[in-house]
Parts: sequence; C-alpha cells; structure tokens
Amino acid sequence: EIVLTQSPGTLSLSPGERATLSCRASQSVSSSYLAWYQQKPGQAPRLLIYGASSRATGIPDRFSGSGSETDFTLTISRLEPEDSAVYYCQQYGSSGGFTFGPGTKVDIK
Amino acid sequence: QLQLQESGPGLVKPSETLSLTCTVSGGSISSTTYYWGWIRQPPGKGLEWIGNVYYTGSTYYNPSLKSRVTISVDTSKNQFSLKLSSVTAADTAMYYCARAQGYLERSGYFPSEFDYWGQGTLVTVSS
Repeated sequence: EIVLTQSPGTLSLSPGERATLSCRASQSVSSSYLAWYQQKPGQAPRLLIYGASSRATGIPDRFSGSGSETDFTLTISRLEPEDSAVYYCQQYGSSGGFTFGPGTKVDIK
Repeated sequence: QLQLQESGPGLVKPSETLSLTCTVSGGSISSTTYYWGWIRQPPGKGLEWIGNVYYTGSTYYNPSLKSRVTISVDTSKNQFSLKLSSVTAADTAMYYCARAQGYLERSGYFPSEFDYWGQGTLVTVSS
C-alpha cells in the first residue's frame, strides 16, 4: 500500500502570496495517478487536480499541480481569502486501491 | 447536474451493522465510464477511502476494512450501498458517497479521482 505524506501540516500566508503544498509517496505513483482536493469546514471535498497536473472543471487557473513518481506539488499562485481550507492529495493505482494524504491546512492571514 | 445523496441511520449501536445508501440523480449509475465510492472522515480528522463499486458489481475495498465492508449497486433504483459490520466507536465519522472517474490499462478498467461528492451523513456509533 502506498503511503502519502503531506507537508507542511499548516501553512499561514497572506492574500496574494504563493502557496506550495507537498505530497510525497512511499513508492512511485504509476502514471502520475494523483489528485488534489480542497475541503472547507462543513463541506464535502472538492476535486481540484487529477492526473497530477490537470485542473478539474471550473477550477481557477491559480491552482496548478506538478510532479511525478514520488514527489508532487500543489501550487496556489495568488492566494485569495476563499482559499482557506484543508488540501488533501490522493493516489489511485492499478490495484484499484486508493489512499489519501493527511492533509495540509492553509490559513489566510 | 449530477447529485448524490446519502441516507441511513445516524446512530448505530456497537457490534451492529452500519448501512447507508447513496441515491444518484441527474445521471445513470449504469454508465460504463464511472465507479461509485464511499469515503469517511472521523470528526476533526482526515479522509479515509472505504471502497468503490462498478455498475457490474465489481468492487475494490480498503484492505484495512475489507473484512467488514460490503458495497453493492442497485441499478434499478440508481443507488449504491455500504454495509460495515461489527462497528465500534472508531467507526464514528462523516460518511460521503462519491462518483469516481475511471482509467483504462492493459489489465482492466480502474477507478480514479472522485469528481462529484454527496454532502455527507454523520454516523455515530454509541449504545
């Protein structure tokens, strides 16, 4: 089973700043089968990125994903107040199994 | 617009079976493109994948829950269901149903990212 580690645990930044969130896998994620989700308090998660770098429908272009094999990054280029949330990475593999990372909380000052 | 709605008891006694249903509207659960899944989130904690089901009934389960989980699909009702047996307080969580996209490899067709989610239903395990 692939274990995902996310860092930092919490990120506190100001509006307009750039946020860089890391997701590291315990073994290579095949074909960059990695997704990122945003979850705000009291809400279900929302898909942001799939296939490591493809934005989901309706996601602003300030959100971007990159990386391969064991190291992946979610970048929010210019933070807005509504980006305050917990961000999770998730991998999916040919075994049909999924795992989620523990999440990174982004606080907007 | 696709919508998913979880339903079921909000309180389950320890050692009993948790049963939830997800009703899909605005789309067909029999589509060959999608898988359907369950994810849970204990209060104040992260997301845990429970399992996925295809319209054919083919399933994938989290190995840590596999011995207690059954996910099934009812295409006539456009619903899929979760059963989790022998529950304890550790199973108290918000339970979400979701639609998963799929991808094709030589070895078969597999679930991928969750693109639509239900609002979630809180299930508490307590006597």
